[in-house]
Amino acid sequence: AQTVTQSQPEMSVQEAETVTLSCTYDTSESDYYLFWYKQPPSRQMILVIRQEAYKQQNATENRFSVNFQKAAKSFSLKISDSQLGDAAMYFCAYRSADFGNEKLTFGTGTRLTIIP
Amino acid sequence: NAGVTQTPKFQVLKTGQSMTLQCAQDMNHEYMSWYRQDPGMGLRLIHYSVGAGITDQGEVPNGYNVSRSTTEDFPLRLLSAAPSQTSVYFCASSYTSGTYLYGYTFGSGTRLTVV
Repeated sequence: AQTVTQSQPEMSVQEAETVTLSCTYDTSESDYYLFWYKQPPSRQMILVIRQEAYKQQNATENRFSVNFQKAAKSFSLKISDSQLGDAAMYFCAYRSADFGNEKLTFGTGTRLTIIP
Repeated sequence: NAGVTQTPKFQVLKTGQSMTLQCAQDMNHEYMSWYRQDPGMGLRLIHYSVGAGITDQGEVPNGYNVSRSTTEDFPLRLLSAAPSQTSVYFCASSYTSGTYLYGYTFGSGTRLTVV
């Protein structure tokens, strides 16, 4: 079974600075998807960024980028120019590329605080 | 488009009562799933469906039933509520195009308290 580990329960960053959230996962599969989701106090789950394991190029979405290290099974999220609206819980999630295996496996989350 | 709509947003049940959490999506997504979120834990999969008429168990299915008679709707039934089912419940949907999986769209959640 796959597992996802987020080893930083809480992180804080000064507004306009850069912060990196860590995520590692364990799998024996070679093809899969990885996601970062943001959950603000409204509790809505918002997709931040996704990565396909077969792609070597790291995904980017505006101020958000990932460092995907497949061999190390690491998938960190970098937030540049942090803004107050980035304050939230961030969850890393794994999904097999096997379409008969419909399951997102989540980490326990990292609470990000933005310091004005 | 409304996306994924969950009702109700809040619910308090007494132990032993039954209820149905509603989930509807208007995006014609084939995949739908239910997760629960407990403090200090990530979301855990309860049940899922890969299409109308097809459902399967996830990681924590005990005490819950699902059915999927249409593409749009995927209700979650609590048969006899227990305090251990106090949680926030999320419905999610997704779809594929060929072999490409798009990201999941989540509903806004239902906070359920069982007393």
